[in-house]
Amino acid sequence: ELKVEQNPLFLSMQEGKNYTIYCNYSTTSDRLYWYRQDPGKSLESLFVLLSNGAVKQEGRLMASLDTKARLSTLHITAAVHDLSATYFCAVDRRYSGGGADGLTFGKGTHLIIQP
Amino acid sequence: DVKVTQSSRYLVKRTGEKVFLECVQDMDHENMFWYRQDPGLGLRLIYFSYDVKMKEKGDIPEGYSVSREKKERFSLILESASTNQTSMYLCASSLTDRVNIQYFGAGTRLSVL
Repeated sequence: ELKVEQNPLFLSMQEGKNYTIYCNYSTTSDRLYWYRQDPGKSLESLFVLLSNGAVKQEGRLMASLDTKARLSTLHITAAVHDLSATYFCAVDRRYSGGGADGLTFGKGTHLIIQP
Repeated sequence: DVKVTQSSRYLVKRTGEKVFLECVQDMDHENMFWYRQDPGLGLRLIYFSYDVKMKEKGDIPEGYSVSREKKERFSLILESASTNQTSMYLCASSLTDRVNIQYFGAGTRLSVL
């Protein structure tokens, strides 16, 4: 059974601090997704990591992928209140190099950044 | 911008009713998906479709069926709604390419009483 595990599941931090969210998965897929969800809203794609060693950055968020360790990280630098949200990582349910399938999501990390 | 539109934001239904959730995308995507989201469980895939009239079961298909008669529209059907189907339902679509980003609708919060 494919598993995607995020930790922590809940994180409260202060503005200006750095922190990392971890995503471990059990598939051999080399494709991993990060999404953001604001309260009462739908999911918004943040990053798609397509190969081992991939790193993507957008503002204060940076995501990386280590397919050998089956680990992705989402690093937050100098957090600001606007980054408060729930963050999900996901992998292809049955990745076969092409074609459609759904995603298997982690349970999400609920991040609160306090002023 | 990709737009995935779900017909209702909130629905209240009674146990045993047949329920239809509708989803439309405007980007000519081949693939469409239905997930449900529950607190503490994240998102779970119910069904998906990679072409008109084609469908495949996801991880939790029991109690649900789907219909895709046109490329832009994907319907989720609860044949006989039960209280354990109270949830947030999210529709998504994607292009068949290397990246496979899924674009999500705003969600339908369904309450079955």
